Amino acid sequence: NAGVTQTPKFQVLKTGQSMTLQCAQDMNHNSMYWYRQDPGMGLRLIYYSASEGTTDKGEVPNGYNVSRLNKREFSLRLESAAPSQTSVYFCASSDPDRRQPQHFGDGTRLSIL
Amino acid sequence: RKEVEQDPGPFNVPEGATVAFNCTYSNSASQSFFWYRQDCRKEPKLLMSVYSSGNEDGRFTAQLNRASQYISLLIRDSKLSDSATYLCVVNSVSGGYNKLIFGAGTRLAVHP
Repeated sequence: NAGVTQTPKFQVLKTGQSMTLQCAQDMNHNSMYWYRQDPGMGLRLIYYSASEGTTDKGEVPNGYNVSRLNKREFSLRLESAAPSQTSVYFCASSDPDRRQPQHFGDGTRLSIL
Repeated sequence: RKEVEQDPGPFNVPEGATVAFNCTYSNSASQSFFWYRQDCRKEPKLLMSVYSSGNEDGRFTAQLNRASQYISLLIRDSKLSDSATYLCVVNSVSGGYNKLIFGAGTRLAVHP
């Protein structure tokens, strides 16, 4: 029962490096999301994809890009990592029905030096 | 003002205690409400949905007051395993997608 799977679980980057965080879900959900979580703050939405083929900016999109590769997969890319992007990143998925909660992956802990 | 506000705690309670968490939200058009639980360094997991009439799941009771834009979570007979951060989450449909707004969380520590 995989649910939402994120890779990698941990990553250390140097300032200016690029990387892609991967997310896949096997629940046949239409909507997928990327959040970041920083100490003392709630989860903040970076980007979301309401359905396959669409992506939109969330609350904190600067410095990130996303790709909804197919219904299952939604990746988050940092083109030029900055120390301010040190955070825990969570991917989530849901049905668009407002009554349905989101299901989360177990996170990627990213440190940028 | 934050869209979803919670007392950050921590709430330090002995085993067996009853503890209540409160949450307020600012968007009167919000449509669905949830409590999530997040253990240290783990992902948030759905604890329970919150229904207009209030609802109970074992030792957990959730209440919603739409007029006051207020949500609560009551935990009875606290267990050590209840120690976690509890996230108040408010949903609204915006631009065709299921948008969740998360509170920063209330930390609960249950001690022997």
